[in-house]
Amino acid sequence: GAVVSQHPSWVICKSGTSVKIECRSLDFQATTMFWYRQFPKQSLMLMATSNEGSKATYEQGVEKDKFLINHASLTLSTLTVTSAHPEDSSFYICSASGTGGPSTQYFGPGTRLTVL
Amino acid sequence: QKEVEQDPGPLSVPEGAIVSLNCTYSNSAFQYFMWYRQYSRKGPELLMYTYSSGNKEDGRFTAQVDKSSKYISLFIRDSQPSDSATYLCAMRRSETSGSRLTFGEGTQLTVNP
Repeated sequence: GAVVSQHPSWVICKSGTSVKIECRSLDFQATTMFWYRQFPKQSLMLMATSNEGSKATYEQGVEKDKFLINHASLTLSTLTVTSAHPEDSSFYICSASGTGGPSTQYFGPGTRLTVL
Repeated sequence: QKEVEQDPGPLSVPEGAIVSLNCTYSNSAFQYFMWYRQYSRKGPELLMYTYSSGNKEDGRFTAQVDKSSKYISLFIRDSQPSDSATYLCAMRRSETSGSRLTFGEGTQLTVNP
């Protein structure tokens, strides 16, 4: 099956610092990657969609200067939370879809971000 | 009104029971339907993917789609404690796998041994 990894799985940082989260598709080429945010006991909230080599498309209300997304290759997308604040603490999950098999989105294991 | 409605539960059943999870949707443009299972503090795992009305079976899981009623279901037979998780229905309009998904709220299921 299609495998998507995320790194790190858990990160704690101080307020004001930046944090980078990596999302990799391990066995297929991900032409499109998605970034979600999930609060406890809530469903997934789509933050942005990125296509390889193009600028990400952000959902309404998501600050693109705060959540920087780069999809530089067919197997890697990164989400950088800039100048993180405690309210950015959340569970961030990426998903990927693309050529070579997957007919829908496959999700990574998620990254838990805690901003002190 | 939400595009996709899903009873959040929680749903608690004894081991071995048949579980029925349901979602309704309002937009007939949705053509592709998925069920994901999410364990606590983990990413969603794809269980079933369907694109036509009718039933699709995979082991203990059966996905059912009724496009005329805008209603999808997931049945779990012989439920096990390891099935305890949150189940999310998801759907999309386009055939393109890179299209965005619309999710239900998720149903929290507990299977008691």
